[in-house]
Amino acid sequence: DTGVSQDPRHKITKRGQNVTFRCDPISEHNRLYWYRQTLGQGPEFLTYFQNEAQLEKSRLLSDRFSAERPKGSFSTLEIQRTEQGDSAMYLCASTPGPLYGDNEQFFGPGTRLTVL
Amino acid sequence: GQQLNQSPQSMFIQEGEDVSMNCTSSSIFNTWLWYKQEPGEGPVLLIALYKAGELTSNGRLTAQFGITRKDSFLNISASIPSDVGIYFCAGTTGANSKLTFGKGITLSVRP
Repeated sequence: DTGVSQDPRHKITKRGQNVTFRCDPISEHNRLYWYRQTLGQGPEFLTYFQNEAQLEKSRLLSDRFSAERPKGSFSTLEIQRTEQGDSAMYLCASTPGPLYGDNEQFFGPGTRLTVL
Repeated sequence: GQQLNQSPQSMFIQEGEDVSMNCTSSSIFNTWLWYKQEPGEGPVLLIALYKAGELTSNGRLTAQFGITRKDSFLNISASIPSDVGIYFCAGTTGANSKLTFGKGITLSVRP
């Protein structure tokens, strides 16, 4: 399968714990995006990377959230001191990058986080 | 901030019927995209539109980029049970920038 993959698919944690999610984009896709989706809503942008550089962060990304893409391939999203309001589906998407001039973002299956 | 409006929240149709959905915005978008999402999965890209007035088809799906660049339409013809899901419109204002999504329309197809 050559699509975007995310791990884990589901995560249940207790309030106050730290969690980390991983995203593997489509091979050779330069841009990688993180979104959050809550029940009954569309995905909301969190942050994106061009290769290893984090180019934009949403105001939704509080200080407890950090994202990395150290080698410009896979990315991780960490949430520290989780709160019940962090419960959501965390989606990752990738595109080939600006040289290709298109905006078609391809999404992974998501990581469903439940904070108890 | 930018918002995309989709309504109604749910639609119920009979198998074989055609259905139309629209998406509107108070802001101009340069690209419109339509996604379908099934329970527990990520959104799947259906159609992408890049020019005002553009009409693009993908099988039984047809989408149009509104002339004003503030709206888009998706039509599904001859619906089948597997068309069930949530349909999201999304837009972006620049090359490879973040997507803004609507709240989605849940489509149900009665056999």
